[in-house]
Parts: sequence; structure tokens; C-alpha cells
Amino acid sequence: DQQVKQNSPSLSVQEGRISILNCDYTNSMFDYFLWYKKYPAEGPTFLISISSIKDKNEDGRFTVFLNKSAKHLSLHIVPSQPGDSAVYFCAASVYNNNDMRFGAGTRLTVKP
Amino acid sequence: EAGVTQFPSHSVIEKGQTVTLRCDPISGHDNLYWYRRVMGKEIKFLLHFVKESKQDESGMPNNRFLAERTGGTYSTLKVQPAELEDSGVYFCASSLWTGLSTQYFGPGTRLLVL
Repeated sequence: DQQVKQNSPSLSVQEGRISILNCDYTNSMFDYFLWYKKYPAEGPTFLISISSIKDKNEDGRFTVFLNKSAKHLSLHIVPSQPGDSAVYFCAASVYNNNDMRFGAGTRLTVKP
Repeated sequence: EAGVTQFPSHSVIEKGQTVTLRCDPISGHDNLYWYRRVMGKEIKFLLHFVKESKQDESGMPNNRFLAERTGGTYSTLKVQPAELEDSGVYFCASSLWTGLSTQYFGPGTRLLVL
């Protein structure tokens, strides 16, 4: 039972444009959401998070939006840079649990 | 400060053999997690230690998998006997607290069962 879904396995954008990565979840108990970034042969690294009491969190070029009613979140990268090319994983957890459930990842390619 | 380390980085074994993976968390991190990613699918939670105790092992696939964390420092994950479907990348992560605390991942162990 996959509770976190990333339906786009890949995304390609031009340098300088916006990248939008999407994620859907099914478990209404989730109240903390994260994005991780993964380069080849490395482990995932934390990128940005949002709790369910917010609908937006911004950190530099990265913004995460949360729509609780739709059980949907998205990651916006503006402007996209070639170094952003990686696999991005969406993850969700229950606040006091920290046992994360991940999506399958979206491979982002930013073309120069 | 050293990050999470995992050993070995790669392992190729035959079906029926035993493999033991090791994870050394960041020093001082009481929480240690094991995850597995199979064939480009989602990163799946396996289990969570708080110090030497298993907080949650609901993700362990079956009794061929045994995780230990004696002394609350490093952890081992043993697969015995290994099956073809056990192939994948096994990630370990650690965090300072159990609640909202960033999990830091190791580079993973790539296991191939032939």
C-alpha cells in the first residue's frame, strides 16, 4: 500500500525556468512533509519541509506548497539550475513518529 | 563531523547466502532507520531504532531479515537466506530526536542477489 505517490517519474526543464514536482498522499494522519534530493551513488539529502499547519514554506529558490484538502503537495524550484538535476523524493510522516513514507521519486533534468 | 556511513557499498551474493549490512550513524544520534529501495521504486521504510530498542519494525518484509543495534551505536541488518527479490539499495539514516528531526542518510548499500 503506497501511501505517498509521485506520478511523474521524470521531468525535464530549461535552465532558468520553473520546475514543479508533484506529490500526492493518501493517509490523512500525515502532518509533516519533506522533500529529499538524491544524486547518483549518494543517499538522499534533506531539502525542505512543511508542517500541516502551513500551506507554504519557502527557502531560497525552493518553495513547497501543501493542499491538505486535496492531499497534494508540490515543490517549486525557481529559477532551475543544471545542478538541480537529481531525483527528488517526497516523504511524509506523523509529527511525533518520524517514520517517513517516501514516494518513488521524480528525476529532474535541467538543461543548460 | 562524519556523516552516516554504510558498509559495504556493494554486495553481490547468490540466492540462499547470508549478507550482513552495517550502518554507523552520526555520533550522538539515538535514532537509526533502515530503508530499502527496490528497482527504482519508492524508498520503503523497514525499521526504526531508538538507541538499542526497536521502536517500529512494521516495514520488515519477513523473518529472513534481522536488524540489531547492540549498545545503541552501529546497527547491522542481516538477510538470511537471501532471495532474488531482496536485491535493491539499502539506506540507513539517523536523527537526533524521535520527533521532528532531520534524518541524515548514508550512501546506501547496493545488494544484488543472483
